[in-house]
Amino acid sequence: EAGVTQFPSHSVIEKGQTVTLRCDPISGHDNLYWYRRVMGKEIKFLLHFVKESKQDESGMPNNRFLAERTGGTYSTLKVQPAELEDSGVYFCASSQAPGVPGELFFGEGSRLTVL
Amino acid sequence: DQQVKQNSPSLSVQEGRISILNCDYTNSMFDYFLWYKKYPAEGPTFLISISSIKDKNEDGRFTVFLNKSAKHLSLHIVPSQPGDSAVYFCAASGNQFYFGTGTSLTVIP
Repeated sequence: EAGVTQFPSHSVIEKGQTVTLRCDPISGHDNLYWYRRVMGKEIKFLLHFVKESKQDESGMPNNRFLAERTGGTYSTLKVQPAELEDSGVYFCASSQAPGVPGELFFGEGSRLTVL
Repeated sequence: DQQVKQNSPSLSVQEGRISILNCDYTNSMFDYFLWYKKYPAEGPTFLISISSIKDKNEDGRFTVFLNKSAKHLSLHIVPSQPGDSAVYFCAASGNQFYFGTGTSLTVIP
C-alpha cells in the first residue's frame, strides 16, 4: 500500500512567485493535515481536513496560503505570493481516525526555498 | 508560543549505552503523547506513545516515561544502536498534534 506522497520534493522560487504543493494521502484516510517546519524549529500545524472540509485552519499563517481538498482525496497548498519567511519543509500527514494515537502517517515533505 | 518543548537540540551517546531524550509541555489538557523519529529527507515516523493515564510504556528497546505533575516526558533507548541516529520529535495530542523542535541523536559506534 502506498504511503503519503508529496510533490514536489523540492521547489526553489523567487519572492513574489507562486508555488503549489500537492499531497496524496493514504487511500481511505479521511483526515489530512498540513504541517510546516522552518529550519531548527518545531513541526508546526497549519490545517486539518476531514474529507473535503476544513476542520481546523487555525495554523495557517496568513491569506497568502490557500489549501484545498476537492473531492476529499488529494490536497494542494498554494502560496501566493511567496515571501522569504515561507521557506521551510511542508509536511503532509494523513490518518484514518482523528486523534488516534500513533496513526498519523507523514509524507517525506516538500522543501520550499524562497529566494 | 510553543506548547511542546525539547530543550536539547542534540545528543551524542556511545553504542550500547542508554539514550535519554527529554520533552516538556505546558498544556495540562493534553491526553496523549507520542515520539516520532525522522531520518534525513524522510517524513517523521511514529515510534511510541503514552496515554496521560499511564506513567510508563515500553516497546522493546524504547520506553517512554510520563510525569504529569512536572509536565515532562522522556524517551529512553537502551541499548542504543547506530541505526537509532535520527532526529526525535516529541508530540502531544489535544484537539490537534503539537510537536517539539526535535533532538538530533547520534549514536557513536
